[in-house]
Amino acid sequence: TQLLEQSPQFLSIQEGENLTVYCNSSSVFSSLQWYRQEPGEGPVLLVTVVTGGEVKKLKRLTFQFGDARKDSSLHITAAQPGDTGLYLCAGGDSSYKLIFGSGTRLLVRP
Amino acid sequence: DSGVTQTPKHLITATGQRVTLRCSPRSGDLSVYWYQQSLDQGLQFLIQYYNGEERAKGNILERFSAQQFPDLHSELNLSSLELGDSALYFCASSVAGAGTQNIQYFGAGTRLSVL
Repeated sequence: TQLLEQSPQFLSIQEGENLTVYCNSSSVFSSLQWYRQEPGEGPVLLVTVVTGGEVKKLKRLTFQFGDARKDSSLHITAAQPGDTGLYLCAGGDSSYKLIFGSGTRLLVRP
Repeated sequence: DSGVTQTPKHLITATGQRVTLRCSPRSGDLSVYWYQQSLDQGLQFLIQYYNGEERAKGNILERFSAQQFPDLHSELNLSSLELGDSALYFCASSVAGAGTQNIQYFGAGTRLSVL
């Protein structure tokens, strides 16, 4: 069974701080997606990484796919209150479904 | 706006009842996926349809069923409801049925409360 573990589960930080969220698995994935979900909304795709070692940047967010394609990280620089939400990683293979991690709930305090 | 429409947004019902959740995928998307999100379990894949055919099943209970119609909209039917079925149910759609970069777009979900 493929599982994705995210850490930490909860994170409360002050505006301007940096943070890193981790997504780990014992399974290899063909791709790794990061989503952000806000209350009352569905998950919104932030990025997809597909190559081992790949790094993608989205403004203050930096995403990295592990060399072995089993893990990923999301780093946020100078967090802002607008970054508050539930961050989900999801692993995909060549088939159909996404395996989701349990999520990291981020609160950025002004 | 993801382009995926789910109705209703909220549903309150009693144990033992049956409900139907509806999903309209993005224009041009052939695949529809259903997920269940409980407070303590994250998003769990239930079932996928591709162009009207069932493509894959995940952790879907026998009391639950789904179908995709010729116009590509999908319905998730939940019957003999139990308290533990209370959750957010999400529909997602994608262009393809599979593939490395099979990007799924999610609707806003239906919040089901079973009392």
